[in-house]
Amino acid sequence: GAVVSQHPSRVICKSGTSVKIECRSLDFQATTMFWYRQFPKQSLMLMATSNEGSKATYEQGVEKDKFLINHASLTLSTLTVTSAHPEDSSFYICSVRRGLETQYFGPGTRLLVL
Amino acid sequence: QKEVEQDPGPLSVPEGAIVSLNCTYSNSAFQYFMWYRQYSRKGPELLMYTYSSGNKEDGRFTAQVDKSSKYISLFIRDSQPSDSATYLCAIRQTGANNLFFGTGTRLTVIP
Repeated sequence: GAVVSQHPSRVICKSGTSVKIECRSLDFQATTMFWYRQFPKQSLMLMATSNEGSKATYEQGVEKDKFLINHASLTLSTLTVTSAHPEDSSFYICSVRRGLETQYFGPGTRLLVL
Repeated sequence: QKEVEQDPGPLSVPEGAIVSLNCTYSNSAFQYFMWYRQYSRKGPELLMYTYSSGNKEDGRFTAQVDKSSKYISLFIRDSQPSDSATYLCAIRQTGANNLFFGTGTRLTVIP
């Protein structure tokens, strides 16, 4: 069964609005979750590492004020795309790591900003 | 130089063929090696993972790691049309958070 869930699976919004994406770890408590972005026909790019109870760590080039991450519990992390613009349209995928080895991905959220 | 290199394909094979997917990597410190399958418009699904060198088999899938050559492979036996997807290799260093992905190989298995 699924290890990670995401909601919503797809969202269409107007330019300038904010969009919140939820990521839930279903099978185990995750102190660390990851947020990725994937453009069409490209591989996954890590945006940020979400740590429960502390600030997220953002990768170079990712605006922390634009992509707000909240990891309030051991099973839930949220990514909020603030003041979304068409260039933010992408496939956003969260991920959780179990132990040292395996990393599981959510089903992804497709964001389209008009 | 990229951390991981993967031939993007596309790769088309007839049903029943053996498929070989490969990645090379640059940093000998990488210890964790994973293969993911991603269907169109879906999140990646973990297929296999190996730690350090060696082979691992799971049903029709076999993962191989050759650390001396910095080369990892995924073999699919008796390929099925349902195996048609993009296959991504991913590697990670011990103690590090970041997972480095290959660009993915798009596979089509023709009935």
